[in-house]
Amino acid sequence: AQKITQTQPGMFVQEKEAVTLDCTYDTSDQSYGLFWYKQPSSGEMIFLIYQGSYDEQNATEGRYSLNFQKARKSANLVISASQLGDSAMYFCPQWASTLGRLYFGRGTQLTVWP
Amino acid sequence: KAGVTQTPRYLIKTRGQQVTLSCSPISGHRSVSWYQQTPGQGLQFLFEYFSETQRNKGNFPGRFSGRQFSNSRSEMNVSTLELGDSALYLCASSLMGNYEQYFGPGTRLTVT
Repeated sequence: AQKITQTQPGMFVQEKEAVTLDCTYDTSDQSYGLFWYKQPSSGEMIFLIYQGSYDEQNATEGRYSLNFQKARKSANLVISASQLGDSAMYFCPQWASTLGRLYFGRGTQLTVWP
Repeated sequence: KAGVTQTPRYLIKTRGQQVTLSCSPISGHRSVSWYQQTPGQGLQFLFEYFSETQRNKGNFPGRFSGRQFSNSRSEMNVSTLELGDSALYLCASSLMGNYEQYFGPGTRLTVT
């Protein structure tokens, strides 16, 4: 069964500092995708970054980078130079290709303080 | 390029009524998935449509149904509403259903 674990219910970081949000997944699929989304209080799920299971390079998108450790089944999100607007709930769903859906964990609430 | 749109954004219904939610995917995207988000259960998959066919279905009762039109727009219907159906309903579109999934702003349904 697919399972996503985000062990940090809440994280706090000062503006301009870097922060790492943890995510581990459990799957027996060989081919899968890992995503990070940001959900502000408005509710919209904003796509941040994607990593395919066969991608050898860690994905990067601007201030976001994904630290993908396949053997450890870990896909941590690193946000460099945090901004106040980064305050939101963060999810790291896994795309299960055999089941055709995203599996979500409980998320991590990130708060950036000035 | 316009993003995923969902209508209405907010909805209040009473128990026993039915409701229809709409989702318009990004132009060119053929896959639309629906998710329910509640504080207690988190995000749960409802179903996915691709080229007007339901390809995948989550573990929800038959009161939850959906369809997709030839222009890829999708509707989700919930009949005989229960209090527990109060949730944020999100739809996501993607080109083929296995790459980047782009979500809409959601429809917040309150059942009283």
